[in-house]
Amino acid sequence: GENVEQHPSTLSVQEGDSAVIKCTYSDSASNYFPWYKQELGKRPQLIIDIRSNVGEKKDQRIAVTLNKTAKHFSLHITETQPEDSAVYFCAGQAGTALIFGKGTTLSVSS
Amino acid sequence: DTAVSQTPKYLVTQMGNDKSIKCEQNLGHDTMYWYKQDSKKFLKIMFSYNNKELIINETVPNRFSPKSPDKAHLNLHINSLELGDSAVYFCASSLVGDQPQHFGDGTRLSIL
Repeated sequence: GENVEQHPSTLSVQEGDSAVIKCTYSDSASNYFPWYKQELGKRPQLIIDIRSNVGEKKDQRIAVTLNKTAKHFSLHITETQPEDSAVYFCAGQAGTALIFGKGTTLSVSS
Repeated sequence: DTAVSQTPKYLVTQMGNDKSIKCEQNLGHDTMYWYKQDSKKFLKIMFSYNNKELIINETVPNRFSPKSPDKAHLNLHINSLELGDSAVYFCASSLVGDQPQHFGDGTRLSIL
């Protein structure tokens, strides 16, 4: 089955810097890769997703890249702000199951 | 209106008890899920239902029994609660299997 590895587990940046979170997946049949943001005590919320037929997708300060050959995908946040502080989860989907990475705690200090 | 709603939000109970968590979605989605988030924040799929039929049952003890009376509802019943069941349980839904999933606010289950 699918296995998703996520790095780093914690990431601290200064406000205005960029943050990059990387994930690798094992199942070449996976075709959908969402990213979720979870603030303390709240539900995971989808922030961006990418499908296997696309190499890159952007939404304002957030971008995701996918390398199918290497089976890895990354989240890029530019011009970070304190409100970006949260836990970020990558996930891969083969069939109906979303398999999550273990999360990255992002701290943005002002 | 909350898209995916779970009740209760908090559940504190004794070991050995039986409890249920309810989930309802008003998005018209066909697929619903239960996830468990442990103290280390790891999110793990437990069950997936598509239009009331069980699709995925990960290696979850049979003390956990999901029930889907219709495609808008997926409830979770847990028998003989154990200390290790303490976690936050999230319900989610999606249009079909590989579409964005919308999560409920979670139910924090604490076993005394």
